[in-house]
Amino acid sequence: DAGVIQSPRHEVTEMGQEVTLRCKPISGHNSLFWYRQTMMRGLELLIYFNNNVPIDDSGMPEDRFSAKMPNASFSTLKIQPSEPRDSAVYFCASSFSRSSGNTIYFGEGSWLTVV
Amino acid sequence: ILNVEQSPQSLHVQEGDSTNFTCSFPSSNFYALHWYRWETAKSPEALFVMTLNGDEKKKGRISATLNTKEGYSYLYIKGSQPEDSATYLCATGGSQGNLIFGKGTKLSVKP
Repeated sequence: DAGVIQSPRHEVTEMGQEVTLRCKPISGHNSLFWYRQTMMRGLELLIYFNNNVPIDDSGMPEDRFSAKMPNASFSTLKIQPSEPRDSAVYFCASSFSRSSGNTIYFGEGSWLTVV
Repeated sequence: ILNVEQSPQSLHVQEGDSTNFTCSFPSSNFYALHWYRWETAKSPEALFVMTLNGDEKKKGRISATLNTKEGYSYLYIKGSQPEDSATYLCATGGSQGNLIFGKGTKLSVKP
């Protein structure tokens, strides 16, 4: 079974450009999470969805960030316009069920560099 | 707001040494405690999920304990090997499965 699939794996972009990160969760999972990993703040939860519905986006840093989940097999995280401080690894993860006793499975991350 | 603390931030040990790290979390409204292992450029990999006070889990040379009353968990590695070098993350969650992670303990094992 394929794991969580993220694209692109690496992206280098110029400040001010739009960045779109994509995620395909594990088939059958009904929860999807976007995390951001930085040296200073560790792994931060940005937003999560249950059954394609955004539940909590309080971790989204600014209005420049937006996330969508149009169907059960696809989600995007968009940054517009991007800034150098957005440089980080962005992880998508998915799980089945809504209990925190369930393991969440991570993708390999999208490594974003904004210059 | 959940606050998960891990210590130490980093650890350097020799091959064969046994080691342990700590994860502290709020003891109120506890649902579950997760341990993950993360090697750079790879996906964080789940090690353990524990839900009950006094839980102990073991996978090979790695084990973990949980104390929900005082809000801490220990991860132990017996006889560390170079391949154990990674960042070990703990996380606890809300009722809807959203996990809040600590900043991790970065372990380096020298041969």
